[in-house]
Amino acid sequence: QQKVQQSPESLSVPEGGMASLNCTSSDRNFQYFWWYRQHSGEGPKALMSIFSDGDKKEGRFTAHLNKASLHVSLHIRDSQPSDSALYFCAVSSNSNNRIFFGDGTQLVVKP
Amino acid sequence: EAAVTQSPRSKVAVTGGKVTLSCHQTNNHDYMYWYRQDTGHGLRLIHYSYVADSTEKGDIPDGYKASRPSQENFSLILELASLSQTAVYFCASSDRDEQYFGPGTRLTVL
Repeated sequence: QQKVQQSPESLSVPEGGMASLNCTSSDRNFQYFWWYRQHSGEGPKALMSIFSDGDKKEGRFTAHLNKASLHVSLHIRDSQPSDSALYFCAVSSNSNNRIFFGDGTQLVVKP
Repeated sequence: EAAVTQSPRSKVAVTGGKVTLSCHQTNNHDYMYWYRQDTGHGLRLIHYSYVADSTEKGDIPDGYKASRPSQENFSLILELASLSQTAVYFCASSDRDEQYFGPGTRLTVL
């Protein structure tokens, strides 16, 4: 059973718009969340991590974590065509170095 | 910036042949991983290692072997390549937190 569920599978937003991605962990032992981004033809790259309840902002990107529901969201403000990529949510525990990836959300930002 | 390199970047193999994918990191990280990505899908862990000369099975180890001869190098070996192993393979390294990925190897088995 997959530990991480992401939605939606794909998302299209206009340039300058807001993109919102969702992720839920199905295992309470895994409540440390990561967002990774993968541009076409490249390897994934970590975007940000969030381990505490509430918001974490890095530039145009804001992650929000609700530990009680094991749900994290990623909001991209003022979306740019360069944000078009596959976004992975990943979860880890504090007991080992394994992380588990979701299937990803394909984001397309249209000029 | 952390650096993970993979070779080859692409390979065409014949069914039943042996394939070796190589990964090299200059991050001085203890942990290294091999993932498989199928078109439009997520990453599935094949093997990983937390110290030289030792490897661990991930979630989909069948049909794959791994070798970690040094801290810097981690190889993935397909002894008898099959059509179902056509995919993109990513190597990654970490020091317990963020994982740093290589550019990937596109493997096509015919």
